[in-house]
Amino acid sequence: DGGITQSPKYLFRKEGQNVTLSCEQNLNHDAMYWYRQDPGQGLRLIYYSQIVNDFQKGDIAEGYSVSREKKESFPLTVTSAQKNPTAFYLCASSSTGLTPSNQPQHFGDGTRLSIL
Amino acid sequence: AQSVTQLGSHVSVSEGALVLLRCNYSSSVPPYLFWYVQYPNQGLQLLLKYTSAATLVKGINGFEAEFKKSETSFHLTKPSAHMSDAAEYFCAVRRSGGYNKLIFGAGTRLAVHP
Repeated sequence: DGGITQSPKYLFRKEGQNVTLSCEQNLNHDAMYWYRQDPGQGLRLIYYSQIVNDFQKGDIAEGYSVSREKKESFPLTVTSAQKNPTAFYLCASSSTGLTPSNQPQHFGDGTRLSIL
Repeated sequence: AQSVTQLGSHVSVSEGALVLLRCNYSSSVPPYLFWYVQYPNQGLQLLLKYTSAATLVKGINGFEAEFKKSETSFHLTKPSAHMSDAAEYFCAVRRSGGYNKLIFGAGTRLAVHP
């Protein structure tokens, strides 16, 4: 079955440490997204990528970095500059086909990041 | 600016009762609207989407939503709640300005009591 795989499911970060969250999709989607979810705040967009080797900042990109070297992969690095990283992180992808505006986003099962 | 407001962060219903989850949006362009469901420690699953083809949209698991332009609303309903419907529900609107980016509401947690 096609889908989005996020790993690890749980991750712990020490002070001053960078950590990388993995996101892989086999849906052949061009577009990929990273969201941060905090209780009572819905989902906030961190970064998005419409095509390989290109990505743009979302609403809360500070303290995060991404890369898009392969179509199926969009890893997110939470840097030490992100002072409040504890959250649930969700990766999504969508098609950019003939009618991209109504293509739904498909989500992975998330990574829960906590501070040690 | 575009926005999505979900009225009621928590909704509680009895099993078999009507489910009504409210969503109002603000958009300067014809909106594309979505409802997603999230079970604990999981990602979001698409329930249904509105793309201007019909104002009443039927989704999975017996849910449906009606687009009302005059009220800028896209409320989610289900005639009879089931225990398995207990989850968090998010309404989202596609952002204007290109790309398939979404703006999400804060979510409504649905509890279903026997």
